[in-house]
Amino acid sequence: SYDLAQTPSVSVAPGQTASINCSGDKLGDRYVSWYQQKSGQSPVLVIHEDDKRPSGIPERFSGSNSGNTATLTISGTQPMDEGDYYCQAWENSIWIFGGGTKLTVL
Amino acid sequence: EVQLVESGGGLVQPGGSLRLSCVASGFIFSDFDMHWVRQSTGKGLEWVSAADAAGDTYYPESVKGRFTTSRDNSKKSLYLQMKSLRAEDTALYFCARGRAGWFFDLWGRGTLVSVSS
Repeated sequence: SYDLAQTPSVSVAPGQTASINCSGDKLGDRYVSWYQQKSGQSPVLVIHEDDKRPSGIPERFSGSNSGNTATLTISGTQPMDEGDYYCQAWENSIWIFGGGTKLTVL
Repeated sequence: EVQLVESGGGLVQPGGSLRLSCVASGFIFSDFDMHWVRQSTGKGLEWVSAADAAGDTYYPESVKGRFTTSRDNSKKSLYLQMKSLRAEDTALYFCARGRAGWFFDLWGRGTLVSVSS
């Protein structure tokens, strides 16, 4: 089975750039999407197909995917960005999630 | 309003069965793939099933043979029939809309399933 690995936690100061990584074998050959989940809420799509931002998602959210690593970047991180972030990919009619990264804005 | 509303969760004994429902509104339900995704308390997201727009269904090994997903486009509804439930099936079950075959762009608020004696 295909696995996606994420660092369990990332901390960032307000206004700084947060980078959240997701790794998997030849991940760059697949589309990666990212979801934000705040405490007690449902997940929200923030990036799809590697680097596309849905309407309503702030421009400070961006994504990239190459080689074995996909990255979600949050520029000028705000306290409201605190939460869990999950990467997700697809293989052979199986939808796979990473284990999630808890972003703390200190 | 574009939304998904799940129902049907509850407490069930190990080995028991439960049927979840998800009602869609605000979009043409029949045009979209639909999914169930679950989340155990304090844990990550796990994809559970898919029913694509053509009516084909897909499952991970963890639930294959125990869970059956179906849809009724006339009722704008997605279902998850769960049998032989185990303690590890305890989770919040989300209904999600699929896009482009790759990702989920709309999520419900979830319905809680607890498997315990």
